[in-house]
Amino acid sequence: NAGVTQTPKFQVLKTGQSMTLQCAQDMNHEYMSWYRQDPGMGLRLIHYSVGAGITDQGEVPNGYNVSRSTTEDFPLRLLSAAPSQTSVYFCASSSADRGLYEQYFGPGTRLTVT
Amino acid sequence: EDKVVQSPLSLVVHEGDTVTLNCSYEVTNFRSLLWYKQEKKAPTFLFMLTSSGIEKKSGRLSSILDKKELFSILNITATQTGDSAVYLCANSGGSNYKLTFGKGTLLTVNP
Repeated sequence: NAGVTQTPKFQVLKTGQSMTLQCAQDMNHEYMSWYRQDPGMGLRLIHYSVGAGITDQGEVPNGYNVSRSTTEDFPLRLLSAAPSQTSVYFCASSSADRGLYEQYFGPGTRLTVT
Repeated sequence: EDKVVQSPLSLVVHEGDTVTLNCSYEVTNFRSLLWYKQEKKAPTFLFMLTSSGIEKKSGRLSSILDKKELFSILNITATQTGDSAVYLCANSGGSNYKLTFGKGTLLTVNP
């Protein structure tokens, strides 16, 4: 049981480039979320999904797209990277059965945009 | 807009000390309050609190919620250097699927 996995662990992009951060979970969790964490800012919700085919915006969605075609995968797309998107990105999943609010986090992706 | 405020933002103690971390919140529709510990990687879940006055315990850590005064505290007794971490408080309110996090308290335990 790998839990929540994220790739890549590190990435450097130039301004204007696009890329996809991958997130997968093998716990059959219904809910998945993407957060970004900046120094001194805690975690801020970007997008979330309550099941395959259903996504919604969080607190800071601008500049990011998501899709949820399967229960397992929840990729985050940066359309045109900007230096303000330099951050650590965490994917999380949770199950309604065990309590929606007990989220399991992936190891994170550290993204730098130059 | 939901809001979570943690205090202090940072704290330095010596091994063996007892610490209390604070979390106050404003939510439109309270569902639960959660505590996470974050070392140099992803946050790990500590406690979920939904009812006032019921203390949750796990070893030297304990937490309690006051829904009337809208705050929670996390206590750590007999601190150890391994307790050094950022402690995050989060609230689920307004929507079933969103957590609002505070900025965290950076705890440093010196030997």
